[in-house]
Amino acid sequence: EVQLEQSGAEVRKPGESLKISCKGSGYNFLNNWIGWVRQVPGKGLEWMAIVYPADSDVRYSPSFEGHVTISADKSINTAYLHWSSLKASDTAIYYCTKLANAAYMDFWGKGTTVIVSS
Amino acid sequence: QSALTQPASVSGSPGQAITISCTGTRTDIGSYDYVSWYQQHPDKAPKLIIYDVTSRPSGSSNRFSGSKSGNTASLTISGLQVDDEADYYCCSFTDTRTYVFGTGTKVTVL
Repeated sequence: EVQLEQSGAEVRKPGESLKISCKGSGYNFLNNWIGWVRQVPGKGLEWMAIVYPADSDVRYSPSFEGHVTISADKSINTAYLHWSSLKASDTAIYYCTKLANAAYMDFWGKGTTVIVSS
Repeated sequence: QSALTQPASVSGSPGQAITISCTGTRTDIGSYDYVSWYQQHPDKAPKLIIYDVTSRPSGSSNRFSGSKSGNTASLTISGLQVDDEADYYCCSFTDTRTYVFGTGTKVTVL
């Protein structure tokens, strides 16, 4: 059974750093793209970035490139999303997703809530 | 990369069929058959219901069907049921090898 286990909710202040995680199990983690989708409360889904764990190839949405960093540790089947300096506008739910055939998101994590507030 | 355009809301009565459109450009929907659709109930994670324009994953109701013409993809829900009341998002692969979601459509069952 495919599972994407995401880290728990976080509360940070503007300017602080944060790394959230997503552990994949039940499938070939190494050879499947894994990524993140943002959903601001009451708003739609926004595709952010993906990483290919086998060779760490990454792709970013132009909307998020430069503000977040995606990575993966293939030794522990875990993907990460990192901010070096959070903004209040980063307040959202972040979903981890597994890509199938590099074409569609067939499995989703339950989401990690990030609140950025002074 | 701009979001794909969907109607904000669509409604129908139980048993009816409704169609949600998803309009992109020749750099996304128009060039690739990698359109997928997701259903999201309130406070839940999205769920894949259609992939590769017309294919249904295991467990997805056969009342969901997808199609594409030019730069526009469509999702049809036939035999509308109360449980179909949710938000629906399209998504497409793009020419920059990234993905873009639609603006989302709220489906209401009258």
